[in-house]
Amino acid sequence: DAGVIQSPRHEVTEMGQEVTLRCKPISGHDYLFWYRQTMMRGLELLIYFNNNVPIDDSGMPEDRFSAKMPNASFSTLKIQPSEPRDSAVYFCASSFSAGGRAPLHFGNGTRLTVT
Amino acid sequence: QQPVQSPQAVILREGEDAVINCSSSKALYSVHWYRQKHGEAPVFLMILLKGGEQKGHEKISASFNEKKQQSSLYLTASQLSYSGTYFCGAYQTGANNLFFGTGTRLTVIP
Repeated sequence: DAGVIQSPRHEVTEMGQEVTLRCKPISGHDYLFWYRQTMMRGLELLIYFNNNVPIDDSGMPEDRFSAKMPNASFSTLKIQPSEPRDSAVYFCASSFSAGGRAPLHFGNGTRLTVT
Repeated sequence: QQPVQSPQAVILREGEDAVINCSSSKALYSVHWYRQKHGEAPVFLMILLKGGEQKGHEKISASFNEKKQQSSLYLTASQLSYSGTYFCGAYQTGANNLFFGTGTRLTVIP
């Protein structure tokens, strides 16, 4: 299996621009998670989906953030407009189960820099 | 809700042992352990479910004390490849997602 695939690996953008991050989960995994990692806050869960349906988006910081999963093999995280404090590494992860019983498989992340 | 890890950082010489602790203020259903190397994604090591089980993978093992809401990761006879940041993930009873600890940076030197 190819693992979780994220794109782009690096994104540099100016404040106010729209940013779209992409993720392809492992085939057969019903759960998809978006995490953000910063030095100050560590790994934070932003949102997760089960069978393409958003289950918990309480970690999404503001209305500027939105996430979609139009089908089982693709998800996007969008930031509009972006701000310098959004700079972080964004990870997508997938799992075949929730409930704490199954491991998370992480993608290689997207390093976002907003200037 | 974020579990607390200790120590924050540790430096070992090859062959030495280390223990990393993870403590939660809430009841836990399971604990996950991941290792992340610089610039890479976290990689799954093991899951421990409530019941006080202990798991092992080669020279890395872990225990889970659900009464104390604590887990410990044991690294024995450390190798250079063990270097990285170790995260515990706490799945709290009644919650529906994983909360990661702040991480422990482990450096193994020759």
